[in-house]
Amino acid sequence: RKEVEQDPGPFNVPEGATVAFNCTYSNSASQSFFWYRQDCRKEPKLLMSVYSSGNEDGRFTAQLNRASQYISLLIRDSKLSDSATYLCVVNGRGSQGNLIFGKGTKLSVKP
Amino acid sequence: GAVVSQHPSRVICKSGTSVKIECRSLDFQATTMFWYRQFPKQSLMLMATSNEGSKATYEQGVEKDKFLINHASLTLSTLTVTSAHPEDSSFYICSASRRVLRNEQFFGPGTRLTVL
Repeated sequence: RKEVEQDPGPFNVPEGATVAFNCTYSNSASQSFFWYRQDCRKEPKLLMSVYSSGNEDGRFTAQLNRASQYISLLIRDSKLSDSATYLCVVNGRGSQGNLIFGKGTKLSVKP
Repeated sequence: GAVVSQHPSRVICKSGTSVKIECRSLDFQATTMFWYRQFPKQSLMLMATSNEGSKATYEQGVEKDKFLINHASLTLSTLTVTSAHPEDSSFYICSASRRVLRNEQFFGPGTRLTVL
């Protein structure tokens, strides 16, 4: 089993749609969880951290289910500018703070 | 705050040459810097973790003699790809961590290496 697995995508949605991404991780001892966004041929940028109680940042909502080792990201009222690849990220097993990245799910928002 | 720069942004070189990539944290001291590689349509793969003043820790399968990492200060780490070959062509990205706020990492803009 891969350490971090995501929906294969791509997701093609119209503007204004709500879209949900799912992610599972294999290391039950993981403590830090993030969603990053990566635009084509660019570096990843932190979208939001994911907290146990769930958290929201504007149109973005992240949820964590430790029992199922499952993370989700919900985007409401999609904008054209949301088109990107969304990366599910979990801290690695080492003690130095390394991160494990999923392959990402590509989102394309159409007019 | 938390800006990381990387230089060069793009490099094209002949097979057999060595290429040095610099990663700098511009407005903070990075206790740890990470080097990643990303092939097309693949996830970022950690190559090595580097702490200032000590030897880098390489991930399994990454040749430490081929990918030389020097972390000379709290704001600078360099990755040298020695005797580069076409299969080394990839997107190399560094990140820096302040070890604050749950292992948050700040990424450089990446270096696209093409080896002819």
